[in-house]
Amino acid sequence: SQELEQSPQSLIVQEGKNLTINCTSSKTLYGLYWYKQKYGEGLIFLMMLQKGGEEKSHEKITAKLDEKKQQSSLHITASQPSHAGIYLCGALKHPTGNQFYFGTGTSLTVIP
Amino acid sequence: SAVISQKPSRDICQRGTSLTIQCQVDSQVTMMFWYRQQPGQSLTLIATANQGSEATYESGFVIDKFPISRPNLTFSTLTVSNLSPEDSSIYLCSVGVYFGPGTRLLVL
Repeated sequence: SQELEQSPQSLIVQEGKNLTINCTSSKTLYGLYWYKQKYGEGLIFLMMLQKGGEEKSHEKITAKLDEKKQQSSLHITASQPSHAGIYLCGALKHPTGNQFYFGTGTSLTVIP
Repeated sequence: SAVISQKPSRDICQRGTSLTIQCQVDSQVTMMFWYRQQPGQSLTLIATANQGSEATYESGFVIDKFPISRPNLTFSTLTVSNLSPEDSSIYLCSVGVYFGPGTRLLVL
């Protein structure tokens, strides 16, 4: 079974709409990381959350970490076609080191 | 942040051959990581490449199939040996939280 479950698997939204992607872990989280991947390309690091209740924003993207629930949400406000891609959440395998395991991914399409 | 480059960006290989992927980082790092992303799937860690020691492989990955070199603190190679169509994937190297652009491999 997947250690990091993302929902929804795919999302199609009209440009300008808000959306939320969720990531739930079945294990203790040692930090939660959000990435964006353009189709067939490498990963772009978006942000890292380490403490329960932490919330970070970058441009129109906000991520929150609920440590007790072992889950994180990524919220995009007023979506743009440039937001389209696959969003992946990742978590560290161990408290130290930089080995990741990743969620199942959420494919986002933004219709102009 | 780290700037990571990979070569080749993509390749098409015949069954039974091998492909060596290069990863170059713009700064010295102790650990580099290699991941595989099979079509339509998420990333899976293959191994950790430490400079000056043998690579550490994750469960399900073996050195004979995925030999790794780490000759210095800015460079690593991953070889995918005895290729089969099931090896068709994107292979990515990573440093810290940063990932390279990936190498897209298609095995015929």
